Formats: sequence, structure tokens, C-alpha cells
Amino acid sequence: EPEVTQTPSHQVTQMGQEVILRCVPISNHLYFYWYRQILGQKVEFLVSFYNNEISEKSEIFDDQFSVERPDGSNFTLKIRSTKLEDSAMYFCASSINRGPITGELFFGEGSRLTVL
Amino acid sequence: GDSVTQMEGPVTLSEEAFLTINCTYTATGYPSLFWYVQYPGEGLQLLLKATKADDKGSNKGFEATYRKETTSFHLEKGSVQVSDSAVYFCALSSNNNDMRFGAGTRLTVKP
Repeated sequence: EPEVTQTPSHQVTQMGQEVILRCVPISNHLYFYWYRQILGQKVEFLVSFYNNEISEKSEIFDDQFSVERPDGSNFTLKIRSTKLEDSAMYFCASSINRGPITGELFFGEGSRLTVL
Repeated sequence: GDSVTQMEGPVTLSEEAFLTINCTYTATGYPSLFWYVQYPGEGLQLLLKATKADDKGSNKGFEATYRKETTSFHLEKGSVQVSDSAVYFCALSSNNNDMRFGAGTRLTVKP
């Protein structure tokens, strides 16, 4: 069964360092997403991406964040200068369509980021 | 903006007990509604969904009915098992927004 894969599963970094989280979405999916979950809290939407550009982003997704689809398979989230409050589980997701008709997202297992 | 509000946890039940986790939504359009489940150490998985009013989504003994009049999508299961222990997220998707999740409700089922 096709699945979304994420790397690394866990990354520890120093405050101020740049981090890149990688995702390989399901191959025939067209919409890609990043969500994050701070420990014990709700899953928060960060950004959606379609046709090589951002479709929507939340207020959390400020200038320190960026996303990219550098080739036909990877979808990356970059945090330029990490802060302590960026410590969270980051989930990548993909879907065939966007919106209410199908709407089902397929999630990866997450990348845990710890900022020291 | 569109949002969901779900019952705060944690919820602790004995095996074979009846489960209800409440979820209400706010949306300007006609959203689809979802329940996702997150087992320990894993990502979110779709549990069930409903795309229009009065639809009932069901899977693995869980069910939820899309109630437009009460803007609700409560999750129910008649007899929970230890293996149902997980965090359950209510979510919605609409024309105007990508998927939005509730805060999650942690369920622990004891033998």
C-alpha cells in the first residue's frame, strides 16, 4: 500500500540552526501539506502546496519557514533559524484532491524536532 | 474561519464500555467531516468520514453522523477494546480551507 514517508524520524538541533525535514508523498497525489503537533497539543496546519506553489498558509508559517518540491518526489520543510518553540512533531501529508469532495489526507509517521 | 471543537480528554473507559467523543464545527460552507486516529508513535490515520448532512461514517465499529442542525459529528462506539486506546481527532475540510483539526481527545481503555 502506498504511503507517505518522512525523514528524519527524530532530529535534535541547537537554537538558531537551520533544519530541513523531508517527505516523499504518495506518487499520484497532487496536494502536499505540513502540519505540526507540539507535545500533547492539537495538530496545527502550517501550509499546503500545489503545482509548485503555496496554496494556503497559517499564521504560524512565518518568514522562517519555507517549503520546496526540489524534484518530482520530495517535499521539504525548511526552518531557517530554529527557536525553542519550534520543538514539535512535524507531519507531512498528501492528497489526490483538495477540499470537501475527497479531502482525505494521508499522513507520514512524523519527524520529531527537538530544539535545544 | 472554519474550525472544530471537540471534547477535552483524557477519557478513560473499561473494556466493553460505550464511547462518545463530542465534536462540533463552525463553517461558512458545506464541509466534509472526518475522524482521524493517532495510535502511539504513529501518524494520523483516517478512521471515518461523512461528506454531507445526515451521512453516517463508520469503520471498525466506530460511527459518526453528520448533523447539520446541531453542527455536530460525534464519534461513538458501542463496545471499546484495549486496542482502541489512541488519540482521536475531529477534522473538517471545506472549499475555503484545507483540513483543520480539533485538539484531539486521548482515549485509554483499561482491561
